[in-house]
Amino acid sequence: KAGVTQTPRYLIKTRGQQVTLSCSPISGHRSVSWYQQTPGQGLQFLFEYFSETQRNKGNFPGRFSGRQFSNSRSEMNVSTLELGDSALYLCASRVAGGYSPLHFGNGTRLTVT
Amino acid sequence: QQPVQSPQAVILREGEDAVINCSSSKALYSVHWYRQKHGEAPVFLMILLKGGEQKGHDKISASFNEKKQQSSLYLTASQLSYSGTYFCGINPELSAGGTSYGKLTFGQGTILTVHP
Repeated sequence: KAGVTQTPRYLIKTRGQQVTLSCSPISGHRSVSWYQQTPGQGLQFLFEYFSETQRNKGNFPGRFSGRQFSNSRSEMNVSTLELGDSALYLCASRVAGGYSPLHFGNGTRLTVT
Repeated sequence: QQPVQSPQAVILREGEDAVINCSSSKALYSVHWYRQKHGEAPVFLMILLKGGEQKGHDKISASFNEKKQQSSLYLTASQLSYSGTYFCGINPELSAGGTSYGKLTFGQGTILTVHP
């Protein structure tokens, strides 16, 4: 089975711009979560989607948003980028129903200048 | 609250053992363990559920002490391939009707280095 695929792998943006990141989950996985990883804050939960609905949201400002499509693919959008948004953004999918493992993609490295 | 992992870093020689602890201030329902190598995605190791049994495969195992709200990861006879950063991720125990299956709160990580 193919793993979780995230595109693009690297992005360089300027403050004030917006960005969209994409995630294709493992086939059959209907839940997709997004995490931000930085050296200072570690791995922090952004949001989780299941059946095109946001099920949970982390403590991030409204500039961070996401959505999930009917084929379970997900996108994450960050508007009005700030320098502090520079991070590795990880998408993880899992089999829905109960406490199942997260399968992470290789992430998108976002640099804001 | 973020769980606290200890130690922050550990250096081993091949064949030595290590224990990594993960402590929470909240009652836990599940604890996940992941390993991340530099430049790669975190990889799932195991999940422990409240009331469940100790898990393990090969020379890596883990325990879950519900009373202490703590989990420990045991690495025995370490190999070079064990090097990486180990993270625990927790799901708190929720009241009826709550769901947070995909929402993990991760510890700050423990850097494990295994030398030949």
